Amino acid sequence: EAGVAQSPRYKIIEKRQSVAFWCNPISGHATLYWYQQILGQGPKLLIQFQNNGVVDDSQLPKDRFSAERLKGVDSTLKIQPAKLEDSAVYLCASSLAARPETQYFGPGTRLLVL
Amino acid sequence: AQSVTQLDSQVPVFEEAPVELRCNYSSSVSVYLFWYVQYPNQGLQLLLKYLSGSTLVKGINGFEAEFNKSQTSFHLRKPSVHISDTAEYFCAVSVASGTYKYIFGTGTRLKVLA
Repeated sequence: EAGVAQSPRYKIIEKRQSVAFWCNPISGHATLYWYQQILGQGPKLLIQFQNNGVVDDSQLPKDRFSAERLKGVDSTLKIQPAKLEDSAVYLCASSLAARPETQYFGPGTRLLVL
Repeated sequence: AQSVTQLDSQVPVFEEAPVELRCNYSSSVSVYLFWYVQYPNQGLQLLLKYLSGSTLVKGINGFEAEFNKSQTSFHLRKPSVHISDTAEYFCAVSVASGTYKYIFGTGTRLKVLA
C-alpha cells in the first residue's frame, strides 16, 4: 500500500512570506495529524483531524497557521506570514482511527525561513 | 499534564554491543506507549507499542521494550546493535483523554560505532 505523501520536500522562503504544505494520507485512514519538528526536538502536534473535522488544534498558532482537510482525504497546512522560528520539518501522519493506533508518517517538508 | 522524558540525547555504542534507550513518562491516567525510529531524511516509523497485556513488548529489527508502571518507564533495548540501527529514536505516550493526543519525547540519537 502507498504510504503518506507530502509535498514539497523542501522549501526556502523569506520571513513574512506565505507557504503551504500538502499531505495525502494512506487510503482509508480517518485520522490525520500535522506535526512540527524543530531541530533537536521531538514532533509537536499542531492539529489533528478526524475525517474532515478538527479534533485538536490547541497547539496551532492560529494567528498565522491554518489547516484544512478537504473531503476527509488530502490536507493542506498554511503559514501566513512566516517567522524565522517557523523553520522546522513539518510532518504529516495518518492512522485508521483516533484510538491509540499506529501512526504512519510521511517523509516531511523541511522549511527554512530566512 | 502528561509528559515524556528521554534523558539521553545521544548514545554511542559499539557494533554488536547491547543498548538501552531510556524513556520515562508522567500521567495521571492510563497510557499507551510507543517507540518510533527516524532514519536520516525519513519520516518516523513505528518500532513497537504497548497498549495492554504483557509488559514485555517485542518490535521490529530485534528491539524490545518493557512497560514498568511503578517506575513509569518504557525503556527500549536491543541485545546486539548493528551499524544500520544508527538513527534517532523517539518515545511517545498517548493518553485516553478524548482525542488520544500523542506526546513525543525529545529523542535519543543512537550512534553505532564500528
